[in-house]
Amino acid sequence: EPEVTQTPSHQVTQMGQEVILRCVPISNHLYFYWYRQILGQKVEFLVSFYNNEISEKSEIFDDQFSVERPDGSNFTLKIRSTKLEDSAMYFCASSPQGASYNEQFFGPGTRLTVL
Amino acid sequence: SQQGEEDPQALSIQEGENATMNCSYKTSINNLQWYRQNSGRGLVHLILIRSNEREKHSGRLRVTLDTSKKSSSLLITASRAADTASYFCANAGGTSYGKLTFGQGTILTVHP
Repeated sequence: EPEVTQTPSHQVTQMGQEVILRCVPISNHLYFYWYRQILGQKVEFLVSFYNNEISEKSEIFDDQFSVERPDGSNFTLKIRSTKLEDSAMYFCASSPQGASYNEQFFGPGTRLTVL
Repeated sequence: SQQGEEDPQALSIQEGENATMNCSYKTSINNLQWYRQNSGRGLVHLILIRSNEREKHSGRLRVTLDTSKKSSSLLITASRAADTASYFCANAGGTSYGKLTFGQGTILTVHP
């Protein structure tokens, strides 16, 4: 069964460093998402991506964040200058249509630790 | 209060018992979805109920939706130890791009 994959599973970085989190969505899906979950808290929406552009973003998704679909299969989240409060589990998700109509398929997550 | 709040926050039951979790939301919805998360893992979609539906079944799962009260419930019947996980409702409302707004979740523990 097709699934969303994410790499790395765990990333440790120093404050101020740039990180790139990678995701491979399910191949025929059209909508892509990033969410994050700070330890012990609820899952929060960061950004949605459709037709090669950001369709919606949250207040969390400020200028330090960017997303890209560089080659038609990968979907990346870049954090330009990490802060301690960026430490969280980051989940990628994809959907054949927007989740207004369909479920989203989530990857296993990347645990980001900022020291 | 925040959109998409579940109650109870934690539920502990014996294997074979039923588990009921409730969710409230604030804004209008296109659909409401329930997800399960095993400790430290990704989210797994369980069931989706559209705004014009009132009840839906899938195996041992039963979801209800009351749009007048902006609430939903998830019932797991004949629970098993493997059902131990966190359960989240997620509001898919507003735009067609599908941003999900999650609740705080219910931690379910099923004792064998």
